Amino acid sequence: ETGVTQTPRHLVMGMTNKKSLKCEQHLGHNAMYWYKQSAKKPLELMFVYNFKEQTENNSVPSRFSPECPNSSHLFLHLHTLQPEDSALYLCASSLSPGTSGGTSTDTQYFGPGTRLTVL
Amino acid sequence: KQEVTQIPAALSVPEGENLVLNCSFTDSAIYNLQWFRQDPGKGLTSLLLIQSSQREQTSGRLNASLDKSSGRSTLYIAASQPGDSATYLCAVKAGANSKLTFGKGITLSVRP
Repeated sequence: ETGVTQTPRHLVMGMTNKKSLKCEQHLGHNAMYWYKQSAKKPLELMFVYNFKEQTENNSVPSRFSPECPNSSHLFLHLHTLQPEDSALYLCASSLSPGTSGGTSTDTQYFGPGTRLTVL
Repeated sequence: KQEVTQIPAALSVPEGENLVLNCSFTDSAIYNLQWFRQDPGKGLTSLLLIQSSQREQTSGRLNASLDKSSGRSTLYIAASQPGDSATYLCAVKAGANSKLTFGKGITLSVRP
């Protein structure tokens, strides 16, 4: 399979549940991202990982816990979520977060997203 | 703080029309600007990326322009088709290692 894949595509969970979202990229990229897309709001960056190291946490509540075991896989562990956390969660990857030798290597490739509903 | 605005939020045009989608940003000191396409319930697909030193980029029927001084970019779609129906998002990057700041997007509907 090519590109960026995300599982599950849809998830319904109660506020007391614990679940995990999975992202996998088959592009040989080194940087991976989690975004949240809520209705009528701009896409919000949550986390950035570069070579498995977290380089950005955009003031995300601790009920969202990312994990990046290697450059190809990214997880988002969810626990005690709130109804307002219902959104489309998108994963993306890029060769690097910035540039290399003056060439843009930061074009991001997105997965199809996980539609999360918190009851 | 950079803010990206896309107006209108939705647009409906007949097939075959040439159209322009607008994007404005408050801080002209950008590194690059990207246009993305998003189909309903799907992820984003990068359409065009314009570096701060460039004025425009073209790909097929799409042409994106950048005017940093006025804080504007436009995405021109020639001879629109129903398959162009989607949400188009504009995003800017302040620096090489900065995050993307997105607009809310413009939902385009091309009527057959």
